[in-house]
Amino acid sequence: QSALTQPASVSGSPGQSITMSCTGTSSDVGGYNYVSWYQQHPGKAPKLMIYDVSKWPSGVSNRFSGSKSGNTASLTISGLQAEDEADYYCCSYAGSSTWVFGGGTKLSVL
Amino acid sequence: QLQLQESGPGLVKPSETLSLTCTVSGGSISSSSYYWGWIRQPPGKGLEWIGTIYYSGSTYYNPSLKSRVTISVDTSKNQFSLKLSSVTAADTAVYYCARLGTTGTTAFDIWGQGTMVTVSS
Repeated sequence: QSALTQPASVSGSPGQSITMSCTGTSSDVGGYNYVSWYQQHPGKAPKLMIYDVSKWPSGVSNRFSGSKSGNTASLTISGLQAEDEADYYCCSYAGSSTWVFGGGTKLSVL
Repeated sequence: QLQLQESGPGLVKPSETLSLTCTVSGGSISSSSYYWGWIRQPPGKGLEWIGTIYYSGSTYYNPSLKSRVTISVDTSKNQFSLKLSSVTAADTAVYYCARLGTTGTTAFDIWGQGTMVTVSS
């Protein structure tokens, strides 16, 4: 069970849209529609932003959207805001009731 | 409003056993709709799933940690616990407990604030 692959960092300007990727295998991302995304600000616990590839939990802005193609999932943030600057982690079901996280992507809002 | 709170020693000696408890408040740990999990994050690094437990006691562990991990549940106290044996400095991390949905929201939707555990003599 290897960690999912995420780019170390992405950046964008306020108002812009960015997309970050999360690459796994057919045994995790590609095999199930149970990909979730978490936002983590420094010193804080992760917060669920997207679940089941593209669904929003109650209270999460629809500026955040998720998708999946093959073994790669993506998180898109539109209308980038300063408060979006954080670390983002993807997570996927990996079969046999196990889960795997990505290494995380640091989003900088320039 | 469901809340989770981790508790336990912040300092553990190498080769000893790390023990943490997660107390669930504002809801029942015996709900059939949820599992309960432990996730850790070494300083400056990413998240790592440790394992999950169902209120019935069924457990599922990260294969890389399975030989050292035990997760248990105490429904009478609305708590679940983590034991990690033979710890080394590599086990130094913030440890989070979290709720995992089984139907509807299949994700870790509610997290505790986390507790820092340092392995050092």
